[in-house]
Amino acid sequence: QSVLTQPPSVSGAPGQRVTISCTGSSSNIGAGYDVHWYQQLPGTAPKLLIYGNTNRPSGVPDRFSGSKSGTSASLAITGLQAEDEADYYCQSYDSSLSGSTVFGGGTKLTVL
Amino acid sequence: EVQLLESGGGLVQPGGSLRLSCAASGFTFSSYAMNWVRQAPGKGLEWVSGISDNGGSTYYAESVKGRFTISRDNSKNTLYLQINSLRAEDTAVYYCARDTTAWGFDYWGQGTLVTVSS
Repeated sequence: QSVLTQPPSVSGAPGQRVTISCTGSSSNIGAGYDVHWYQQLPGTAPKLLIYGNTNRPSGVPDRFSGSKSGTSASLAITGLQAEDEADYYCQSYDSSLSGSTVFGGGTKLTVL
Repeated sequence: EVQLLESGGGLVQPGGSLRLSCAASGFTFSSYAMNWVRQAPGKGLEWVSGISDNGGSTYYAESVKGRFTISRDNSKNTLYLQINSLRAEDTAVYYCARDTTAWGFDYWGQGTLVTVSS
C-alpha cells in the first residue's frame, strides 16, 4: 500500500481532458511538502513532468499542469494525444517515515 | 548533457549480494544529492535510498534498511548501492536519479535489472 493514493487507471479520448489525483495525509502533502509528477512511457525510465506542485521543466508541453490543495494534488492533461499513453506517478515526502521520500502507486493512462 | 549510467545488475541467488554502480557525467556530481529507486516487474516505483551531496547523510526505505548501503565517490563521479541478503522481492529494475531536492528527481538512468532467484 502506497502512502500516496492514485487511481490505478484513467482513460480519455484524443483531445479530451483527464485528471489524475494523488491523495496523501497530514504527514506528507498536507504537511506542506511539494508534490512532483513523473511520466513513464512503456519500457523507459521515468521522466520529471511537474515539479514543485505546479512547475513544468523545460520541454514539457503546457498541456500538462499540476495543482495542490490540502492533502491532495492533481495532474491535468488537456488536449489528450496518443503519445500521452503512459504511467504517471506522484512523489512527495513524508515526515512519519525514516527516509521520507514516497511515491504514489501509479496511474495508467489509456488514450482511447 | 547529463547522463546517468547504471551497471552491476544480474541474476543472484537468494541471500546473495551485488553492488550496483551509477556513473554520472555532464554535471557537477558533488553538488547533488542522489537516490536509488526500484521498480519490480509490472509494479510501481519504490524509493529505496538517498544520499546527500557530500555523502554525509544517508536515508533508506524501511524495506531495505540494514541490508542495503548507499555510498558515493565524488572523485569518480559514481554512486553505489551495496545490496546484501537479497530476497526474491528485491527483484526489480534499479534506477539512479539526480535529486534537486525542491524540484524533484530531474534526471534518471536507464536502470539495471536485479533478479533474485535460485
